[in-house]
Amino acid sequence: EVQLVESGGGLVQPGGSLRLSCTTSGFTFSDYTMSWFRQAPGKGLEWVNFIRHKAYSETTEYAASVKGRFTISRDDSRSIAYLQMNSLKIEDTAVYYCTRTQIGLPGEYYFDFWGQGTLVTVSS
Amino acid sequence: QSVLTQPPSVSAAARQKVTIPCSGSSSNIGKNYISWYQHLPGTAPKLLIYENNKRPSGIPDRFSGSKSGTSATLDITGLQTGDEADYYCGTWDSGLIPGVVFGGGTKLTVL
Repeated sequence: EVQLVESGGGLVQPGGSLRLSCTTSGFTFSDYTMSWFRQAPGKGLEWVNFIRHKAYSETTEYAASVKGRFTISRDDSRSIAYLQMNSLKIEDTAVYYCTRTQIGLPGEYYFDFWGQGTLVTVSS
Repeated sequence: QSVLTQPPSVSAAARQKVTIPCSGSSSNIGKNYISWYQHLPGTAPKLLIYENNKRPSGIPDRFSGSKSGTSATLDITGLQTGDEADYYCGTWDSGLIPGVVFGGGTKLTVL
């Protein structure tokens, strides 16, 4: 059974940092691209970033709203994806979701398994 | 403001059919595959449709997707109260700032 469990959320002050973890099981982690999404209070789902798997040199892509502040990484030996969030802003307050990502045919990106999310609150 | 446009809400009676539209442009829906997700508050979002019209294992055939030009639709037939949720469309945008784009979500109410 595929499982993704996010952890590391909490309360942080504006300008602060936080690192989220996504611990996975039930599939060969090293074969998959992994992504982060978020949902701010009262808003819809927003893609944050993804990291491709080793066959694609672990290249990354970021949404403009987080580029330069957030960093995605992965540890294939532990089947964990990370999201390092720096220079946090109040508008980064959201539930953050980790997802397993399928990148197949040209122009094909979809997210077939999701975690339950972890809440990040940025407030003074 | 989301790149893909969805109505904020739709409603229909139980056992009836509802259509949720998703509108985009030539750089996203017009060029790439669309997927659809169901999200009940407090739970993990669930993939319903991928590659425009394919269902993952375990998704009932009451859910179907289609795409035409720069628009896509999700149809749900035989509505059940358990279908009340938020529904999102998503795709890749190949434009000036490439990235994954989603619609703002549509809240489905089953009357």
